[in-house]
Amino acid sequence: GDSVTQMEGPVTLSEEAFLTINCTYTATGYPSLFWYVQYPGEGLQLLLKATKADDKGSNKGFEATYRKETTSFHLEKGSVQVSDSAVYFCALLSYNFNKFYFGSGTKLNVKP
Amino acid sequence: EAQVTQNPRYLITVTGKKLTVTCSQNMNHEYMSWYRQDPGLGLRQIYYSMNVEVTDKGDVPEGYKVSRKEKRNFPLILESPSPNQTSLYFCASSLRSGEGNTIYFGEGSWLTVV
Repeated sequence: GDSVTQMEGPVTLSEEAFLTINCTYTATGYPSLFWYVQYPGEGLQLLLKATKADDKGSNKGFEATYRKETTSFHLEKGSVQVSDSAVYFCALLSYNFNKFYFGSGTKLNVKP
Repeated sequence: EAQVTQNPRYLITVTGKKLTVTCSQNMNHEYMSWYRQDPGLGLRQIYYSMNVEVTDKGDVPEGYKVSRKEKRNFPLILESPSPNQTSLYFCASSLRSGEGNTIYFGEGSWLTVV
């Protein structure tokens, strides 16, 4: 079945460091891919998405490119801030089966 | 403002006492679903609904029921809660399934079953 695997955390970085959170997926057909962010005590918010191969989603300095050849959707940011500290979830929308699949989440801690 | 509203936000209950967590969205979305979030397991889908009177099981439906009598509401029912249902629950909605539609999440409901 479809699934999403993302790197385990927590990830601890200093402010202005480069961020990569890896995400790979297994899916039948052509899924859409998402990154969601969860700030402490809040629900999940959409960060970015890509709906077809080679699309790049971007928002708030974060980017992720839909790579069909490597079945990946890694999240990157060139310079993280303390305010980026949150849990990040990679997600897949399985079009044929009308279901969303989430990774286990990666906690990011950014220190001043 | 586009919203998914769930209540209660926090609840402590005892084993076996029926409870309902309500979920309402104001975006005329067709697709609604419930997830539970547990440490190390991410979000797991409990039930989903494609439209009014159309519901189906997700990955972890045991111990839960849902109903979709109106488009805006999708309550989650725990007929006889047990301690292993202690979790953080999220309701979500999207315009319709597929087509890369964005999911909107509620703020979450912390449920503790003692």
